[in-house]
Amino acid sequence: EIVLTQSPGTLSLSPGGRATLFCRASQSVTSDFLAWHQQKPGQPPRLLVYAASGRAPGIPDRFSGSGSGTDFTLTISSLEPEDFAVYYCQQYGSSPFTFGPGTKVDIK
Amino acid sequence: QVQLVQSGAEVKKPGASVTVSCKASGYTFTSFYIHWVRQAPGQGLEWMGIINPNGGDTSYSQKFQGRLTMTTDTSTSTVYLELSSLTYEDTAVYFCARGSEYFYDSTYWWGQGTLVTVSS
Repeated sequence: EIVLTQSPGTLSLSPGGRATLFCRASQSVTSDFLAWHQQKPGQPPRLLVYAASGRAPGIPDRFSGSGSGTDFTLTISSLEPEDFAVYYCQQYGSSPFTFGPGTKVDIK
Repeated sequence: QVQLVQSGAEVKKPGASVTVSCKASGYTFTSFYIHWVRQAPGQGLEWMGIINPNGGDTSYSQKFQGRLTMTTDTSTSTVYLELSSLTYEDTAVYFCARGSEYFYDSTYWWGQGTLVTVSS
């Protein structure tokens, strides 16, 4: 089973700031099948990025993903008020399709 | 418009079983995999398994082997998750989520979630 580690655990930023979130896998993720999901309290997750860098339909271009192998990054170029949430990475290159523990982005 | 509508909250006693349903609409039901993911209170996301509504093939996380069953009813476009031998640690919100036509793919649409509480 691939274990995903996310850092930092919490990121405190101001609106308009740039957020950089990291996800590291315990072994190489097959075909870079790494997704990022956003979750707000009381809501289901929402897919932001698939295959490491593909933006899901309807996702603003301030969200971008990068990386390959074992190290991946989600960048939010300029935080909007609605972006303060928890972000999870997920690998789906090998079963079980594991999630990371999450990074909380909160308002500074 | 893709929609996944899940059944309502459940309260179960330890040792019991629970069944959660997920009714799909807005797309061809048999063309897309369905995943199940759960989230314990205040915790992260945990992938449980996946089912192919076209034929019913499943793949479960080893953690749940032996007490997890996923099934589909193509006549009603509904997927079911049954979890048996419940313990307090199974208290969580259970989500169904639609993937793509490929097994190895992420989850693009999510249901609203179903809270299952295990309590004596």
